[in-house]
Amino acid sequence: GAVVSQHPSRVICKSGTSVKIECRSLDFQATTMFWYRQFPKQSLMLMATSNEGSKATYEQGVEKDKFLINHASLTLSTLTVTSAHPEDSSFYICSASILRKLFFGSGTQLSVL
Amino acid sequence: AQTVTQSQPEMSVQEAETVTLSCTYDTSESDYYLFWYKQPPSRQMILVIRQEAYKQQNATENRFSVNFQKAAKSFSLKISDSQLGDAAMYFCAYRGNTGNQFYFGTGTSLTVIP
Repeated sequence: GAVVSQHPSRVICKSGTSVKIECRSLDFQATTMFWYRQFPKQSLMLMATSNEGSKATYEQGVEKDKFLINHASLTLSTLTVTSAHPEDSSFYICSASILRKLFFGSGTQLSVL
Repeated sequence: AQTVTQSQPEMSVQEAETVTLSCTYDTSESDYYLFWYKQPPSRQMILVIRQEAYKQQNATENRFSVNFQKAAKSFSLKISDSQLGDAAMYFCAYRGNTGNQFYFGTGTSLTVIP
């Protein structure tokens, strides 16, 4: 299957700092990537759809100024959590679709102190 | 938006036995795709199996098979000869034929008892 790489796997930061998470499709080109947030023992919550070369589409209730998404190439999308606060602590997962299947990165556990 | 319902928050199965996880969905589309994803403790989401709605034959991948009932909008996953490594959260997902969005159920936590 297709491989999606996500880094870092875990990050701890101080409140008020910004954190960047990278998502790369290693063996295919992804015109569209998705960013999810997952709370413990819950399902995936779609945050935004990242489109290469254009602005991301954010789901209702997701602050676009807090969660900056850049999809500058066909193999890389980044999510930047700006001015992170403890309530932003969560598990973030990226994914990319190819051949009508969804492949996921390994996720990033963000802890904001 | 489409809805995907998993009515079993938790299930357990004895090792080597068979277990069935349930999923129902709501859609007005006639052509779509259904998936089961596995999320083990590592939290890596893994595609288990996919079913195309236009295919009448149920998909099978080794010990994993589905029972796809299109009229009933039901899509259950059967795991045969359960192994300890099958312990995970299982998510049912839907993707329409148009558009690119996937819709996920709330998940079923599967415990495998040695």
